[in-house]
Amino acid sequence: QKEVEQDPGPLSVPEGAIVSLNCTYSNSAFQYFMWYRQYSRKGPELLMYTYSSGNKEDGRFTAQVDKSSKYISLFIRDSQPSDSATYLCAMSPNSGGSNYKLTFGKGTLLTVNP
Amino acid sequence: DSGVTQTPKHLITATGQRVTLRCSPRSGDLSVYWYQQSLDQGLQFLIQYYNGEERAKGNILERFSAQQFPDLHSELNLSSLELGDSALYFCASSGTPWAGDEDIQYFGAGTRLSVL
Repeated sequence: QKEVEQDPGPLSVPEGAIVSLNCTYSNSAFQYFMWYRQYSRKGPELLMYTYSSGNKEDGRFTAQVDKSSKYISLFIRDSQPSDSATYLCAMSPNSGGSNYKLTFGKGTLLTVNP
Repeated sequence: DSGVTQTPKHLITATGQRVTLRCSPRSGDLSVYWYQQSLDQGLQFLIQYYNGEERAKGNILERFSAQQFPDLHSELNLSSLELGDSALYFCASSGTPWAGDEDIQYFGAGTRLSVL
């Protein structure tokens, strides 16, 4: 079983839709959870960062972590064509500094159609 | 622009050859991370350096090595290249506790390696 599982999609939605992206994980030591967005031929860029369980909201984006179920989600409200990208979940047992490696899901390819 | 610079953007080489990928972290960042991204494996952590010292190692092959220099730039050396080494190689740097962004990894645009 892989440490982090993410449905690769592809996911295609109309503009304005609510998008739900999810990852499950098996390592109960993970405490730091991130969502990265990667446009084609670019490096990943950090969208959301959460510690432990709970919700975090930033504009149209909401990240949820449920450690009891080992399940994390990213919701995108009022999706725009510019949101079309690959979304990667990432997680780590440690915070920044020493031994801070991220374990990534394989990414979900999202297309928002105008 | 993340502030992390990787060169070259593309590399085409033959099996058995050796290449060097270069990364300049964001100004002031002490940590550098290397990742490999392939279609079947996704983004895989290779190795971390902090202020010149190796701090963490992932699934890095023995044919691969890295170092971080006193000016904090880093190089990833790949030798005895095989077809399966074709992938995107990303470098990331993370901030510092005093800047409050040590938990954030900023990625470069990557080097696309094609082994023919």
